[in-house]
Amino acid sequence: GENVEQHPSTLSVQEGDSAVIKCTYSDSASNYFPWYKQELGKRPQLIIDIRSNVGEKKDQRIAVTLNKTAKHFSLHITETQPEDSAVYFCAFGGYNKLIFGAGTRLAVHP
Amino acid sequence: DAGVIQSPRHEVTEMGQEVTLRCKPISGHDYLFWYRQTMMRGLELLIYFNNNVPIDDSGMPEDRFSAKMPNASFSTLKIQPSEPRDSAVYFCASSRGSGTENEKLFFGSGTQLSVL
Repeated sequence: GENVEQHPSTLSVQEGDSAVIKCTYSDSASNYFPWYKQELGKRPQLIIDIRSNVGEKKDQRIAVTLNKTAKHFSLHITETQPEDSAVYFCAFGGYNKLIFGAGTRLAVHP
Repeated sequence: DAGVIQSPRHEVTEMGQEVTLRCKPISGHDYLFWYRQTMMRGLELLIYFNNNVPIDDSGMPEDRFSAKMPNASFSTLKIQPSEPRDSAVYFCASSRGSGTENEKLFFGSGTQLSVL
């Protein structure tokens, strides 16, 4: 079935360091790969997304890379700040249905 | 736009009772999704609708769960009878549909359900 593996499940970094989260997906037909951030007690919110015809996309301190051959995509956060602390979910899909990874709990320590 | 609106925010009920969760999608969004979030299973897609028609309900756990979308601005997820293992946060989400920018999924604030 459709599934996505997300690693690591927890990540602890010092403020100012970089954080990388990686996901591997199963469906080669997928063409849409978003990342969501969920703060404690709140809804998941879209932070960045990438489509299959693009290999990399950046938005300020956040970047996503996609390797369709290997079926994996990664989230890169540079110059991390305490407010980046949250759970991050990758997702993949196409034809309107999104399947989510298990999430990565990121803790940024001052 | 007010975003996706869900009610109630919190629901506490006893095992065996009927529970109804409500959702109003963003105006103009043709797709509506119901997700369930638990620590053990993460974010699970239960069912989704396109233009008020259920497209895929393969994620609905069992016959105790049912969902309807009588019109473009309202959907319900019903659990009857409820069980303690149904305790979770239930999110409703909506999107415009396929194509660039249209697949962005917007979530409601969720309903925290506790079944005692």
